[in-house]
Order: sequence, then structure tokens, then C-alpha cells
Amino acid sequence: AQRVTQPEKLLSVFKGAPVELKCNYSYSGSPELFWYVQYSRQRLQLLLRHISRESIKGFTADLNKGETSFHLKKPFAQEEDSAMYYCALGVTGGGNKLTFGTGTQLKVEL
Amino acid sequence: GAVVSQHPSRVICKSGTSVKIECRSLDFQATTMFWYRQFPKQSLMLMATSNEGSKATYEQGVEKDKFLINHASLTLSTLTVTSAHPEDSSFYICSARDLLAGGYTQYFGPGTRLLVL
Repeated sequence: AQRVTQPEKLLSVFKGAPVELKCNYSYSGSPELFWYVQYSRQRLQLLLRHISRESIKGFTADLNKGETSFHLKKPFAQEEDSAMYYCALGVTGGGNKLTFGTGTQLKVEL
Repeated sequence: GAVVSQHPSRVICKSGTSVKIECRSLDFQATTMFWYRQFPKQSLMLMATSNEGSKATYEQGVEKDKFLINHASLTLSTLTVTSAHPEDSSFYICSARDLLAGGYTQYFGPGTRLLVL
């Protein structure tokens, strides 16, 4: 069965410091990976997906199939980046559902 | 952008009553909607996949008779928690997959907080 692992429940960094939120997955099929973000008192929203190879709000993530990882990175953290971040794996079939990791709370301190 | 609404945003009910939660896609059509449950400071747990015009597909361990799902139109899915008990208290979130966007793109509702007394 598929699984998404986010080893850190909480990550605290200072403003301006680099950020890396870790995500590892296990899946027998061809993976599609996503990062979702949930700001305080807001709904879950898509941050980026690996197939787009884009940078959103300064965040990037590269799919490493050899290490089965999809870590989220940003070179300089901003206070507004403080939020809950979820890594998700797209599973083919059955409506193309998503399997979510347990999430990492990012706290950017001044 | 694609917007998904949920109603009500929060509900308090007595043990033994049934509660219906609505999930609507406001500006797009969704053949597939998903229902999640989120416990405090935990991840989203997929409960079921709701398909328009057909029966929902439930995840392992989710009681289909307890959590009734109806997806009668391309813009509306409902989740009914039947004979609710305190252990059903949770945050219920729906998402909708855009028919035209395809792939895995899901748009999430704001969630419904259920408290069963």
C-alpha cells in the first residue's frame, strides 16, 4: 500500500534562514506528488505539484525517485510562510485519490 | 479560481441524532468528491470517494451505514453522520476534483466542525 512520511511534526526556523520540509513516499506505481499548505484558520490549498516544476511563493520541490523523496525547499523563510504543510501522493484508480502525510508545522520566527 | 463550499461550518448535536453536511463546487463541475476526517493536529484521513450518480467508495474501516454519502449532482455531495456519538466529533473536510482539469487536482472546502454531546 502507498504511504507518505513527513518525519517532522514541527520545524522552527528564523526569518531569512533556509527551509527544507521533508517528505518520503512509498508507492509501487508511477508517483505524482503534491505539497498542500494550510494557513491558520484557512482551508487546505495546493502549493505545488511535481509535474509542474514550478516555484510558488519561493518554494520548490524536486521529485527524487531514487530516494523516493519530494522535499519542499525555500532559500529564505518569511514570516508569512508559517503554516501547516502536507505532502500528498496521487494514487491512480478509484477516482485518483490523494494520500496525505501527517503534516509539518512550519514556524518562522523573527 | 475553483471554490468549494461546505455547510454548515460547525454543528453541535445530541448523541443519537443524524447530521447532514453539504459540499458544493461553486464554479465548476465535479464528478468526484472526497470526504476526509481530520483529528486535532493530525493529518487528513480519507473516508470515502463520492462519485456522481453512483455509490460511494469507502476506505477500509469506514462504516458505510454510519457515514452515508450521496452525490446527486455534479456540484453537490452530502455526508450524513447517522446516529452520531461523541466519538464522531471531528473536523470533516470535503474536496472536489474538477471534471475539466483532470488529474489529481482537488479543491478543498473550509471544513465542518462536528461536536456530538
